[in-house]
Amino acid sequence: DAGVIQSPRHEVTEMGQEVTLRCKPISGHDYLFWYRQTMMRGLELLIYFNNNVPIDDSGMPEDRFSAKMPNASFSTLKIQPSEPRDSAVYFCASQGKPGGISQPQHFGDGTRLSIL
Amino acid sequence: QKEVEQNSGPLSVPEGAIASLNCTYSDRGSQSFFWYRQYSGKSPELIMSIYSNGDKEDGRFTAQLNKASQYVSLLIRDSQPSDSATYLCAVNMWDSNYQLIWGAGTKLIIKP
Repeated sequence: DAGVIQSPRHEVTEMGQEVTLRCKPISGHDYLFWYRQTMMRGLELLIYFNNNVPIDDSGMPEDRFSAKMPNASFSTLKIQPSEPRDSAVYFCASQGKPGGISQPQHFGDGTRLSIL
Repeated sequence: QKEVEQNSGPLSVPEGAIASLNCTYSDRGSQSFFWYRQYSGKSPELIMSIYSNGDKEDGRFTAQLNKASQYVSLLIRDSQPSDSATYLCAVNMWDSNYQLIWGAGTKLIIKP
């Protein structure tokens, strides 16, 4: 059973460029989460989806960030324009239907983003 | 403000000893509790989940939950150098929908 798949694994780009991160959740999981992790701030939830619908995007730092989930097997996180302070590791995680008790989240390998 | 607190460490433990990691949480209504391990440069990996008071054992790992005192702990018996990692505590709080509230993590170092 394939886990959460993220691409690219590493991204280095210059300030001002558009960055698109991609995620394929575990098949059958109906929750998808985007996180950002830095040494200073730890693991931060950016946005999450249920059945492809965004539920809470209060963690999205500003309008430069946007996320979509056009179908159950694909999601993107886009940063436009990118800034050096966006440099971080971005994780995607998926979660199966809780059935009353929350199930654990399963993480992809992450995208290490560096904005020069 | 919903909070999950962990000692950031580093916690240094001799090889073969018991490592004890602790986590406290603010919301009495919390239902689900998870311990994740994260190696440097890697993603968080689930190692234990616990939902009811008491102990839950899985190999060398034991999770302990005390809802009255609002803490959850992770014990690692016979610690190995490969256990050196950051351990993240995550809690699902009753009104946070399906979001997990994350602790900042405790860095564990097992000394050979």
